[in-house]
Amino acid sequence: GAVVSQHPSRVICKSGTSVKIECRSLDFQATTMFWYRQFPKKSLMLMATSNEGSKATYEQGVEKDKFLINHASLTLSTLTVTSAHPEDSSFYICSAEEGTSGPNEQFFGPGTRLTVL
Amino acid sequence: AQSVTQLGSHVSVSEGALVLLRCNYSSSVPPYLFWYVQYPNQGLQLLLKYTSAATLVKGINGFEAEFKKSETSFHLTKPSAHMSDAAEYFCAVKYDYKLSFGAGTTVTVRA
Repeated sequence: GAVVSQHPSRVICKSGTSVKIECRSLDFQATTMFWYRQFPKKSLMLMATSNEGSKATYEQGVEKDKFLINHASLTLSTLTVTSAHPEDSSFYICSAEEGTSGPNEQFFGPGTRLTVL
Repeated sequence: AQSVTQLGSHVSVSEGALVLLRCNYSSSVPPYLFWYVQYPNQGLQLLLKYTSAATLVKGINGFEAEFKKSETSFHLTKPSAHMSDAAEYFCAVKYDYKLSFGAGTTVTVRA
């Protein structure tokens, strides 16, 4: 199956700093990439959807100025958590899809554990 | 809106026993349904998906799921549990271009 990587896998930062997480599709071109947030023992919550070369679409309640998403190419999307605070600590997972229609599956990255001190 | 409900947040089975994870969907149109597995501190891996081609869907690792329109269900089963099946399982429905996940079911396997 298709492979999606995320970097870093784990990051610890101080409150007030910004953190960038990369999501790459390694062996296919991702028309669309998705960013999810997962709290402990909870399900995945979609934060935003990004398409290459256009602005991301954020879900209701997600601060676009807080979570900056850039989809610069068909194989790379980045999520930047700006001015991070302890409540931003979470497991962030990206996924990528080759085309969005019908039953196309999303391929998930391994996730990034963010801890804000 | 499309959604899925997973009945049972935690399932414990003995090694070799049947695994049954329940998922009900709400959809006004024929849905695309998925089952994913997540191991600790990892992303999600697709087990199987329903695309209306066949009601009984076979997936990886011996899992299968049956789509029952009359019951709006898409339950996941595996005849014989293995220790390596211990993980978190998510049912999901795709609407438009988005996936909507159930709350998840934690599976533990007893030796």
